[in-house]
Amino acid sequence: EVELVESGGGLVQPGGSLRLSCAASGFTFSNFAMRWVRQAPGKGFEWVSSISSSGGSKYYADSVKGHFTISRDNSKNRLYLQMDSLRADDTAVYYCAKGVDYHFDYWGQGTLVTVSS
Amino acid sequence: QSALTQPRSVSGSPGQSVTISCTGTSSDVGGYNYVSWYQYHPGKAPKLIIYDVTKRPSGVPDRFSGSKSGNTASLTISGLQAEDEADYYCCSYTGSYTDWAFGGGTKLTVL
Repeated sequence: EVELVESGGGLVQPGGSLRLSCAASGFTFSNFAMRWVRQAPGKGFEWVSSISSSGGSKYYADSVKGHFTISRDNSKNRLYLQMDSLRADDTAVYYCAKGVDYHFDYWGQGTLVTVSS
Repeated sequence: QSALTQPRSVSGSPGQSVTISCTGTSSDVGGYNYVSWYQYHPGKAPKLIIYDVTKRPSGVPDRFSGSKSGNTASLTISGLQAEDEADYYCCSYTGSYTDWAFGGGTKLTVL
C-alpha cells in the first residue's frame, strides 16, 4: 500500500526557513517523479514544485521560484522541500504527491506551515 | 483566484446524480485531455478519482465518471451515497511539465 507521510511543518516568523520532509513507502520511490502541492486556508490547491525520479530535473511555480528548493534522497525514500525567506502568503497545508504522467495518483495527509509573527 | 472555475457547492439526495463543472481555457482544459479529479475529506489525503478526463483508477466505483466539452470538464457522480459528501477538485495539465492548474473546489452535500 502506497503511503506518503509529511513532516516538518510548524509556526515560523516571516523571513524564516523550514524544511519539509515526505517519507514514502509501498512503491519503488526511485522510479517516480514527486511533487509538492499546497492549500492555503480557504483556498484551492496550488502546485508548488516537481522533481524527476532521478532528481536531475526540478520545476517550480513562479510564486516560489528562488525561495523554495525541492530535493530527494532515493536511498532513504524521502522527498524534501526547503523553504526560505518565508512570507505570510506561504501559509498553507503542504502535501507531497506521487506523480504519474499528468496527474497525482497518491497524496499524503499534509503538514501545516504557518508564517506569522 | 484559482485558475480553473468550479461551483462552490452542489447538493443532491441519496440515489440521485450530480455533476460538477470545471471551466478553464484553451491553454489548459480545452487544450489537453489531461484533466484529473480529486476527492478530499478535510484532514485526510486527497484521493484521485478520475484522470485523463475519463479514466478511473482501480478501486474507484463506476458511479464516478468524467467528461469534457471544449474548455469545460465535468465530474458526474451517480447513485449518490452519504460517503460521497466531500470536497472535489479538478486539475488540468497546462502544457509544460512545470505547471498544473487546479480548481477552487466544490463542496458536495448529500442531503
